[in-house]
Amino acid sequence: NAGVTQTPKFQVLKTGQSMTLQCAQDMNHEYMSWYRQDPGMGLRLIHYSVGAGITDQGEVPNGYNVSRSTTEDFPLRLLSAAPSQTSVYFCASSWGVRQSTDTQYFGPGTRLTVL
Amino acid sequence: LAKTTQPISMDSYEGQEVNITCSHNNIATNDYITWYQQFPSQGPRFIIQGYKTKVTNEVASLFIPADRKSSTLSLPRVSLSDTAVYYCLVGFRSHGSSNTGKLIFGQGTTLQVKP
Repeated sequence: NAGVTQTPKFQVLKTGQSMTLQCAQDMNHEYMSWYRQDPGMGLRLIHYSVGAGITDQGEVPNGYNVSRSTTEDFPLRLLSAAPSQTSVYFCASSWGVRQSTDTQYFGPGTRLTVL
Repeated sequence: LAKTTQPISMDSYEGQEVNITCSHNNIATNDYITWYQQFPSQGPRFIIQGYKTKVTNEVASLFIPADRKSSTLSLPRVSLSDTAVYYCLVGFRSHGSSNTGKLIFGQGTTLQVKP
C-alpha cells in the first residue's frame, strides 16, 4: 500500500490564483481530512469527510473547498489564494470516527507559498 | 469536544526519561487518549493510545489516572532522534448514528533532546 499520498510536494502561487491540492489513500478509509500547519504552530483542521459524498467544515474552512466523490480521493481547492494561506498542508485518513480509537495516517505534506 | 492542554516545550538530555503531561478536564466517557509524534517536515504519526490505567508499547508508555482528566506520555531513555513535537488528542464529537466528527490537534509539545 502507498498509504496517503499528496501532490504536489511544493507549490508557489500568486495572490488570486486558484489551485487544487490532491490527496489519495489506498487503504479504503472512510474518514479523510485536511490540516494546515503554520510555522511554530500545531495542526488546524480545515475540512473533513466521513465518507464519499459527505464533507464538513473544520476550524479554519474559509478560502477552501473540498469534495469527496470517491472513497480514495479528497482534493482541497484554494479558490483565490492569499498570502495568509502560505502554509504546509497535510492530508490524513482513518477507518472511521465512530470511536476515538481510529489511528490517523498522514501524508507527507504540501508546502504552499502564496506571493 | 474535549480540549487538551500540554506544555509548549520541554528540554531533555540523551538517556533521560521524559514525561509529557496532557490535561483534558472535559474528557467524555467514550473518549480515548491518543498521542502523535511529528518530526520536522513530516506528517504526524501515531505513537500510543489508551483509555485508562497504563499502556506500554515498544516506543512509549501512557499513564492515565482513574479520573482520566489528564494523561502522561513517558519516553524512556530518549535519544537525539526523539526530538519532535508531541500531540495529545482526546475524542471528538459524534452525532447519533451518523458517522461525523472533528479530530482537533492542539499546539503540541516541542521536545528538544540535547547531547
